Amino acid sequence: GESVGLHLPTLSVQEGDNSIINCAYSNSASDYFIWYKQESGKGPQFIIDIRSNMDKRQGQRVTVLLNKTVKHLSLQIAATQPGDSAVYFCAENGDYGGSQGNLIFGKGTKLSVKP
Amino acid sequence: GAVVSQHPSRVICKSGTSVKIECRSLDFQATTMFWYRQFPKQSLMLMATSNEGSKATYEQGVEKDKFLINHASLTLSTLTVTSAHPEDSSFYICSARREEQFFGPGTRLTVL
Repeated sequence: GESVGLHLPTLSVQEGDNSIINCAYSNSASDYFIWYKQESGKGPQFIIDIRSNMDKRQGQRVTVLLNKTVKHLSLQIAATQPGDSAVYFCAENGDYGGSQGNLIFGKGTKLSVKP
Repeated sequence: GAVVSQHPSRVICKSGTSVKIECRSLDFQATTMFWYRQFPKQSLMLMATSNEGSKATYEQGVEKDKFLINHASLTLSTLTVTSAHPEDSSFYICSARREEQFFGPGTRLTVL
């Protein structure tokens, strides 16, 4: 299930299940979006990105969906594994119209995978 | 992929002292580097954009005289927290831009 902690929403899933992490972004002019994974005590790690001219992009075990109408982004992780446990952040391009300038990060979701 | 390092990974200092954090792009040149701050259970907040050979651009609310940024070469940017206080304790993360942003491993600063 999904719960909201003091600052960080948490999603708990069973190993092998699919995970869906959601993100609402702020500016309709954003044209580039990225999902990052951050493990405890480490820097963010790039997972997958998508440009605003697309609504879906697939990677290895991950899929990003973009709904520009409601300014919503989601990350789907197939067959979630214990190693997927981390905090996931979406980020939008703050330099609107640029290739990738400043990034504006969302609040993050903590994914916990139960074995 | 590109590698970005930070040094030190952890630092503990006394209140009132200054601390320097280094960010290096190890296998590529970066004209632009970014410095972020992250408090526990919170997201990354951009502090400043560091451009090689020019002054850094600070985000609103970030004191440029307290957080000194120097980007003297295409592979090195430094962040100096001057006269650090306990409220400056945080996780500081840098990133370097090539086609995309590559993040360093972060530096945990604890000010006693």
